[in-house]
Amino acid sequence: EIVMTQSPATLSVSPGERVTLSCRASQSVSTNLAWYQQKPGQAPRLLIYGASSRATGLPARFSGSGSGTEFTLTISSLQSEDFAVYYCQQYNDWPPSYTFGQGTKLDLK
Amino acid sequence: QVQLVESGGGLVKPGGSLRLSCKASGFTFRDYHMSWIRQAPGKGLEWVSLITSGRSPIYYADSVKGRFTISRDNARNSVVLQMDSLRADDTAIYYCARHYVDFGFFDYWGQGKLVIVSS
Repeated sequence: EIVMTQSPATLSVSPGERVTLSCRASQSVSTNLAWYQQKPGQAPRLLIYGASSRATGLPARFSGSGSGTEFTLTISSLQSEDFAVYYCQQYNDWPPSYTFGQGTKLDLK
Repeated sequence: QVQLVESGGGLVKPGGSLRLSCKASGFTFRDYHMSWIRQAPGKGLEWVSLITSGRSPIYYADSVKGRFTISRDNARNSVVLQMDSLRADDTAIYYCARHYVDFGFFDYWGQGKLVIVSS
């Protein structure tokens, strides 16, 4: 099983800041990596797929990068609605055994 | 618009069974792979099972293999997760999710259904 590790677990930030979240895979997943945002009481929402492609309607302040084992999600200027938990997920395994990172929570500083 | 609505869930004793259903609308259901993903209270996300658009092949996480069964009815636009031999560590919110085309990530999610396994 591919283990996904996100860092940090919690990030205290202020609106307007640039934020970088990290995700590391225990073995190469190429660019088969997605990012999701989850707010309390809600289902996850797809943000990024293919490591760097934005989902439909996603604001341009969100961007993803990386390949192989190291990935980042960047929010260029944090808005109040961006405070949430962010998960990465690999979908490189076949037969499928999709795995998620443990999440990074963005807290208000 | 795409909608996924789960039903079922609730409280069940260890060793018991429960059935979750997911009704899809707003897209051509038969063309899409569907998965169930769960989230234990206060924890992260765990993929549970995938059923491909043609109902076969089917895949399960090792943690549920032999206990859970996924199925779909393309005429009724629904996917079902039959959960047997339930354990306390199966307690979670269960989400139904649509795969993006043939890829292994999820572009639409249901609102989730809580399953509690407790005596």
